[in-house]
Amino acid sequence: GESVGLHLPTLSVQEGDNSIINCAYSNSASDYFIWYKQESGKGPQFIIDIRSNMDKRQGQRVTVLLNKTVKHLSLQIAATQPGDSAVYFCAETYGQNFVFGPGTRLSVLP
Amino acid sequence: DAGVIQSPRHEVTEMGQEVTLRCKPISGHNSLFWYRQTMMRGLELLIYFNNNVPIDDSGMPEDRFSAKMPNASFSTLKIQPSEPRDSAVYFCASTLQGLNQPQHFGDGTRLSIL
Repeated sequence: GESVGLHLPTLSVQEGDNSIINCAYSNSASDYFIWYKQESGKGPQFIIDIRSNMDKRQGQRVTVLLNKTVKHLSLQIAATQPGDSAVYFCAETYGQNFVFGPGTRLSVLP
Repeated sequence: DAGVIQSPRHEVTEMGQEVTLRCKPISGHNSLFWYRQTMMRGLELLIYFNNNVPIDDSGMPEDRFSAKMPNASFSTLKIQPSEPRDSAVYFCASTLQGLNQPQHFGDGTRLSIL
């Protein structure tokens, strides 16, 4: 499927290295954050989430960090694999609003 | 487990025609979301339902767009009349309840209006 805007940031990482994808969110009142992965021709797929009362959460090979002071969210992927190549979106919820970020394309080099 | 099911996967039609996109959420999920994705605007939330009731339709572009959820297992997004600028991939997603949970997405409908 198509991804996002013409100026989609791209991160190229060597296979086996760690990846860090960053996201600046918009609203200081946001209380729930999610990272999604989208592969070509598919819908976004949930990776990991974090609530505003936490600053770190770990999953399998992934870690999300939340810095509320500067409204910054990051996704760390350990030992990046070719199957990790995709577009990654952060999303935030505040009140009845849910907003996706513009996305980052991760390209894993052999 | 069956995920969110959307149909059709692809739709090509001429401008002015009515288009109906369909979505079956995950069984037991009470919230359903419609999104549009384009190169220029990314992923946009169009409307979401909670317990079959529309909660927020502020993202619906204009009156040509309408969405319904007649029961817990089915929703439609209709465009009438369609225009070339409506060409996009339309996604449906569902959660158990509300916005503060991971959304499960279908694989989308790629719509082309000629």
